[in-house]
Amino acid sequence: GAVVSQHPSRVICKSGTSVKIECRSLDFQATTMFWYRQFPKKSLMLMATSNEGSKATYEQGVEKDKFLINHASLTLSTLTVTSAHPEDSSFYICSPRGGENTEAFFGQGTRLTVV
Amino acid sequence: KQEVTQIPAALSVPEGENLVLNCSFTDSAIYNLQWFRQDPGKGLTSLLLIQSSQREQTSGRLNASLDKSSGRSTLYIAASQPGDSATYLCAVRGTGNQFYFGTGTSLTVIP
Repeated sequence: GAVVSQHPSRVICKSGTSVKIECRSLDFQATTMFWYRQFPKKSLMLMATSNEGSKATYEQGVEKDKFLINHASLTLSTLTVTSAHPEDSSFYICSPRGGENTEAFFGQGTRLTVV
Repeated sequence: KQEVTQIPAALSVPEGENLVLNCSFTDSAIYNLQWFRQDPGKGLTSLLLIQSSQREQTSGRLNASLDKSSGRSTLYIAASQPGDSATYLCAVRGTGNQFYFGTGTSLTVIP
């Protein structure tokens, strides 16, 4: 399968600070990047979709000014949680996609804890 | 909007048993369906991908079937092992290129 690197795997930050999560597709070009959020014992919920070089499309209820997504290259996308609060604590997972009808691969996930 | 449901939510079986996990979806207009495994606090590992034109896929002890018209998929695990213990997620890929995930089945295989 494809190699996807998501970093960091775990981060603890103070309330009010910003956290950047990186997602890299190491052996293919990701024309599309999906960012998901997962609450404990819940399934994955899509937050936003981004295409390389374009602005991200956010799902209903997701604050675009809070969750900043950058997809400047075909191998790297970042999700920045700005002014984090305890309710932002969650498991965030990226999924780069090379094209339609291709298999989905996921990063290892980032466990964010805001204290 | 596509809704994906997985039954049962949790399953506990003794080692060696064969088992079936179920996944149903409401909109049959899908590109493909994929089964994943997730270990606690970890990301997703892809198990099997079934394109909308296919009926089933097999990999080792795993067999996944797809009945698109009825909106159902099953994941069959043969001769279960303790290492199979994890949460299994099914996801359907819709026409908007995004995945819709089921709620998952938490599997425990007892040695």
